[in-house]
Parts: sequence; C-alpha cells; structure tokens
Amino acid sequence: AQTVTQSQPEMSVQEAETVTLSCTYDTSENNYYLFWYKQPPSRQMILVIRQEAYKQQNATENRFSVNFQKAAKSFSLKISDSQLGDTAMYFCATRLDAGGTSYGKLTFGQGTILTVHP
Amino acid sequence: AAGVIQSPRHLIKEKRETATLKCYPIPRHDTVYWYQQGPGQDPQFLISFYEKMQSDKGSIPDRFSAQQFSDYHSELNMSSLELGDSALYFCASSPRQRRTRYNEQFFGPGTRLTVL
Repeated sequence: AQTVTQSQPEMSVQEAETVTLSCTYDTSENNYYLFWYKQPPSRQMILVIRQEAYKQQNATENRFSVNFQKAAKSFSLKISDSQLGDTAMYFCATRLDAGGTSYGKLTFGQGTILTVHP
Repeated sequence: AAGVIQSPRHLIKEKRETATLKCYPIPRHDTVYWYQQGPGQDPQFLISFYEKMQSDKGSIPDRFSAQQFSDYHSELNMSSLELGDSALYFCASSPRQRRTRYNEQFFGPGTRLTVL
C-alpha cells in the first residue's frame, strides 16, 4: 500500500515570494508517478505538475517546480513568484505504474492550505 | 476542449434514501475513477472501470455500487444513505493511450451530496 504525508496543514506567503510545500511518501514499488494537484475554493481538482519516478530530472511547469528525492521518498513543490490566484489547497498524490494500461488509482496526502497575501 | 461532466452538481437526500451520481468522461477516454472527498479531507479512491469492467476497488461501502456503460459513462449508485456519506464525489477519466506509460486523470467538477 502507498501512503502520502503532507506535514504542513497550512502555509502562507506574500505575493511575489517563493514558497515550498513538503510531501513524503512510502511505497514498495519502483515504478510510480508523483503529482501535485491544486484545489481552489471552487473545489475543482487541477493538475499542477507531475513527475515520473524513473526520471532523475526534476519537473518544471512555469512558476512551479519540484524537488524529487527518490531515495528519501520526498517530493516537494516550489512555487515561485506567488500570485493571489495560487491560494488553494494543494494535494500531493502518487500513482503506481500500471504496466502500460490506463488504470491506476491516485493516493492523496492530507493537503496543505496555501494562502497568498497581497 | 470537452471536460468530464458530472451530474447532478448538487444533491440533497434524506437518510436511508438512494442516490445516483452520473459521470460522462472526456470523449475517447476509456477509464473512469470515482473518489470521495469528505469535509476537510483528501479524496479517497472508491472504484475504477476500464473498458466497462471494474478494474480496481478501494474503500467503497457495500451499500454503493457502480458500473460503466457501453458509451463509457459511469454511474455510482448509493443506497441506504447515511449522514457520513455527505461529501464531494469526484469522477475522473483517463485517455486510451496504450503506448504511453502515463495517463493523466482529468477530474470532473464533482457532485456535492448532502445527506440530512
């Protein structure tokens, strides 16, 4: 079974500054994927960034980047130049590599509420 | 671009009643996942379907059942509703891409179920 832990229930940052959200996970598998999802007040689940565990290079999507430490089973999200629209709940999630087929449930962490202050 | 459609968006039921939630995946997506998100909690996987067959099962109560139809839409049937069933129910779909190892799950807007 996979477990995902987000140890920061709440974080806050000033607009234009940088913030890092932490995530650790536990899995006995070698092939898996890691994700960060954003859930704004509308409650829509929005994919922010994804990382394949077999890739050593950290994923980057515009202002969002990750620090993936496979040995430490750590997957943190860095948001640069924070914007008011970044205010949301952020979930870290894992998914096993289902061997090329399309099924594979997501296991989520508890979430971190991020507030960006003007 | 077309997105995952869920209906209804809001549903209010009494205890012991029955509810049916519907999910229409993105066209050409053959896999559907159902998640339950309680108040202040993270989404929990309930069940998934691939090509109209159940592919995985999570913490879904025996009172709940689900299926995927020939047009790939899915329905989650919930009977003998309890107060604790009040939650946001997400449906997500994945595309039919056999050659890629990764298949992103696209989430619908969710159905908010309130049990009184």
